[in-house]
Amino acid sequence: DGGITQSPKYLFRKEGQNVTLSCEQNLNHDAMYWYRQDPGQGLRLIYYSQIVNDFQKGDIAEGYSVSREKKESFPLTVTSAQKHPTAFYLCASSFTSGSAGDTQYFGPGTRLTVL
Amino acid sequence: GQQLNQSPQSMFIQEGEDVSMNCTSSSIFNTWLWYKQEPGEGPVLLIALYKAGELTSNGRLTAQFGITRKDSFLNISASIPSDVGIYFCAGLRYGGSQGNLIFGKGTKLSVKP
Repeated sequence: DGGITQSPKYLFRKEGQNVTLSCEQNLNHDAMYWYRQDPGQGLRLIYYSQIVNDFQKGDIAEGYSVSREKKESFPLTVTSAQKHPTAFYLCASSFTSGSAGDTQYFGPGTRLTVL
Repeated sequence: GQQLNQSPQSMFIQEGEDVSMNCTSSSIFNTWLWYKQEPGEGPVLLIALYKAGELTSNGRLTAQFGITRKDSFLNISASIPSDVGIYFCAGLRYGGSQGNLIFGKGTKLSVKP
């Protein structure tokens, strides 16, 4: 089955600790994205990558880092500088060209709780 | 960053009723997408619209790309309990970076059996 997987489903972080969230896709999509979702809010873009070994900051990149060493994988690290409390993190992917190039498909999400 | 104006914020309806929600902006959009999200899950794509005036259906769902390119609406006919969830619109603004979708804050739908 083609799709996007995220792990773990639930993650707990102590203040001052770095944690890494995994995102993998087998849809052969070129672009991958990370969003944060806070209660009652729309999705806000953290980072995105349109090609391997390249990525750009989104609207709320401070306190996060990413890498894109493989087309299929786009891990997100929440660093100790990120002070935001519990949030839901969503990974998405899309093609980068063609009529459907703007259509993003989402993974199941990771709930991160700060202890 | 800019967000779309999505309304209503929430709806409480009786099973069998029709539902209508919309998204508007002061900017022109090239693409409109509608997603449904259930608690603790990622958004699932319902309908994608790529052309002004386009009207697309997916079962009981119908969505339209506004002719002015500044709005879109989603209708659900004959609602059922499993329609419960949060519905998000998302758009790619004309001249926006590839993949830089802008999201509405969602419409929370509750259906009474």
